[in-house]
Amino acid sequence: DAGVIQSPRHEVTEMGQEVTLRCKPISGHDYLFWYRQTMMRGLELLIYFNNNVPIDDSGMPEDRFSAKMPNASFSTLKIQPSEPRDSAVYFCASSLYGFASGANVLTFGAGSRLTVL
Amino acid sequence: GESVGLHLPTLSVQEGDNSIINCAYSNSASDYFIWYKQESGKGPQFIIDIRSNMDKRQGQRVTVLLNKTVKHLSLQIAATQPGDSAVYFCAELIMTTDSWGKLQFGAGTQVVVTP
Repeated sequence: DAGVIQSPRHEVTEMGQEVTLRCKPISGHDYLFWYRQTMMRGLELLIYFNNNVPIDDSGMPEDRFSAKMPNASFSTLKIQPSEPRDSAVYFCASSLYGFASGANVLTFGAGSRLTVL
Repeated sequence: GESVGLHLPTLSVQEGDNSIINCAYSNSASDYFIWYKQESGKGPQFIIDIRSNMDKRQGQRVTVLLNKTVKHLSLQIAATQPGDSAVYFCAELIMTTDSWGKLQFGAGTQVVVTP
């Protein structure tokens, strides 16, 4: 398996532009997570899905952020309009099991580094 | 140990020595913990996990110790190698309902292995 695949790896955009980040989870993993990493706040959970359904989006910063999972093999995180404070590394992760199983090993992608000028 | 802010705590270790990375977690009800390793330019990678009904678990060259009394977790790396240079995160599972929860990550510790 190629692991969790994210694109683009790097994105530089101007304030106000729309940004779309993409993720392909590991085949067979029923859970998909979007995290944001900054030096100031560390790794923050934005949203996660189970069987393509959003379960917890309480970490999504504001209405400018939206995430979708149209099928089991694809998810997007969209920021519209983007702002300089959105600059961060965005990680997608997937897992086979949910939390009720008592174990939750997330496999992370390589991340998408976003710079908003 | 862990701290929040602009600068990660750094642990400088000589190659071949043992490393001990510490983590204080927040929720006394948390019953599952994971250590992740993040190399530069990569996503976090699973190292080892431990349930709260254990106080020690060993893997290959790594040992995790859990002290529930003081809400403290540590990761020990034996015979540290240059490839161990990375940022290490502890994460605790915080349940929000009976079936759902989220992993909360610590701020991380930068480990630098010197020859």
